[in-house]
Amino acid sequence: EAGVVQSPRYKIIEKKQPVAFWCNPISGHNTLYWYLQNLGQGPELLIRYENEEAVDDSQLPKDRFSAERLKGVDSTLKIQPAELGDSAVYLCASSFASGGNNEQFFGPGTRLTVL
Amino acid sequence: GENVEQHPSTLSVQEGDSAVIKCTYSDSASNYFPWYKQELGKGPQLIIDIRSNVGEKKDQRIAVTLNKTAKHFSLHITETQPEDSAVYFCAASRDYKLSFGAGTTVTVRA
Repeated sequence: EAGVVQSPRYKIIEKKQPVAFWCNPISGHNTLYWYLQNLGQGPELLIRYENEEAVDDSQLPKDRFSAERLKGVDSTLKIQPAELGDSAVYLCASSFASGGNNEQFFGPGTRLTVL
Repeated sequence: GENVEQHPSTLSVQEGDSAVIKCTYSDSASNYFPWYKQELGKGPQLIIDIRSNVGEKKDQRIAVTLNKTAKHFSLHITETQPEDSAVYFCAASRDYKLSFGAGTTVTVRA
């Protein structure tokens, strides 16, 4: 069974440029999460989707970050414009359901470098 | 919100020795405590988890203990091997939202 797929794996951009990350969750997983992982830190939740609905986006900086999961499967996280402080690893995870603390499976992440 | 503290930040052990990582949490309502292993360039991978109605859980060389009264939980790795070298994260959760510790870099010396 394929795991969570993310692309690109690495992205280098200049500040003020836009950037987008793509995630394909494990088949059958209706809950999708985007996390931010700064160097030397644990992941921090940005947004959680139940199917196509963003049910928790309280930690998403909405002035520059946006996300979508139009058909309840793949998801895209966008930053526009990127700032130097956005350099981090962006992790996508999925689970079969969110209630009851189901195991979250993580993808390999996208490492973003903003110059 | 939940605050999880993890110690130590780095841990070096001789192959075959045991490794212990400790975490504390702040939210007494947290009821799920997973441990993740993250290797370089990879995403975190669940290695063991424990729920609040259980005090201890073991899976081969890995065990986790939970003390709800003191709000702390620990990961124990016995007979460490070079492939155990990685960053380990504890997390605490109420419902779905995982709050992670800052991680422990474990190095197993051959």
